[in-house]
Amino acid sequence: DAGVTQSPTHLIKTRGQQVTLRCSPKSGHDTVSWYQQALGQGPQFIFQYYEEEERQRGNFPDRFSGHQFPNYSSELNVNALLLGDSALYLCASSGVEGWNEQYFGPGTRLTVT
Amino acid sequence: GIQVEQSPPDLILQEGANSTLRCNFSDSVNNLQWFHQNPWGQLINLFYIPSGTKQNGRLSATTVATERYSLLYISSSQTTDSGVYFCAVEDNYGQNFVFGPGTRLSVLP
Repeated sequence: DAGVTQSPTHLIKTRGQQVTLRCSPKSGHDTVSWYQQALGQGPQFIFQYYEEEERQRGNFPDRFSGHQFPNYSSELNVNALLLGDSALYLCASSGVEGWNEQYFGPGTRLTVT
Repeated sequence: GIQVEQSPPDLILQEGANSTLRCNFSDSVNNLQWFHQNPWGQLINLFYIPSGTKQNGRLSATTVATERYSLLYISSSQTTDSGVYFCAVEDNYGQNFVFGPGTRLSVLP
């Protein structure tokens, strides 16, 4: 049973650039959520996608956007990167509409220089 | 929004010792999960426990939803138990999944 996968593993970008991170949910799951984890802190919820639409959103600016595809995989896009966007970005999937039990991928570590 | 607190923030144990980690939350919740984050950043599911008690090997957890807290028990700790333990809750409105600040556990050989 394939778990949640994310790509790339690591990424280095320059301030002002744009980045796209990718996530494939656990087999049988249809809901994908994205989190940002700064060093030494707990993950913070960015947004959640279900049926290809953004259902919930945390306290993040519009520079953070996403997409969900018909196969339930998802992308996180961040525009106009800031140094403060450097973090571990985690994707989680769950099996029914809403939250239920969430399973996390290994994360993408983004460094903005 | 809902607030989640965890205690203690840091814990150092000798191998073989037992420990209790606590999670307090400020409002009713629909869902509560405990995770272990390993040194590579992977969040590993330990328990999905909105209420009641569960056990899995050396680990067990209890959530008392009416009193807004959850406890994670680790018995006979091993060096591989080291890492950060997070409690996370879904708020009662289904709008957010909030993590606590974590407890950093170090188990010494």
